[in-house]
Amino acid sequence: GAVVSQHPSWVICKSGTSVKIECRSLDFQATTMFWYRQFPKQSLMLMATSNEGSKATYEQGVEKDKFLINHASLTLSTLTVTSAHPEDSSFYICSARESPNRNQAFFGQGTRLTVV
Amino acid sequence: QKEVEQDPGPLSVPEGAIVSLNCTYSNSAFQYFMWYRQYSRKGPELLMYTYSSGNKEDGRFTAQVDKSSKYISLFIRDSQPSDSATYLCAMGHSGYALNFGKGTSLLVTP
Repeated sequence: GAVVSQHPSWVICKSGTSVKIECRSLDFQATTMFWYRQFPKQSLMLMATSNEGSKATYEQGVEKDKFLINHASLTLSTLTVTSAHPEDSSFYICSARESPNRNQAFFGQGTRLTVV
Repeated sequence: QKEVEQDPGPLSVPEGAIVSLNCTYSNSAFQYFMWYRQYSRKGPELLMYTYSSGNKEDGRFTAQVDKSSKYISLFIRDSQPSDSATYLCAMGHSGYALNFGKGTSLLVTP
């Protein structure tokens, strides 16, 4: 399957600072990338959908000013958690799909964010 | 009612057993169905992809989709301790984000 690389795999930051997470598709061009959040023993919760070159579409209840998503190229999307608080601590996972007509989505390794 | 229902388990089986995992769903528009395996603190890994109804086999894994019953299954033959993980079903229709089950935690004991 296709490879999606997510970086960093874990990060600890102080409350009030911002953290950027990168998601790269290594061997295909991803027209669509998805960002998920996962709490322990819970399923993935979709946060937002981003299409290359356009603004991300956020799910209800997700603050777009807090979770900034940029999908500037076909191989890179970034999620920036701004002014992080301890309640933002979670496992963040990106996935990428090659095109709208290719339904398989491939996931990054995930990023464990801890805000102290 | 959630669109995708999956029993979270945990499911514990002895090594060599046949494992049956399943999900039900409510949205008849779903056209494609996937099973992911997720190890602790890792991203989900795509195991099986099926479009529409039918069976698909890949090594020890068999995926079944019954759209008339809105029911999908994943069978694991000759289960191994390395199969111990959380298995997530996911499904959707073209152009839309996936809908995930909660995941079933599987433990295969030696």
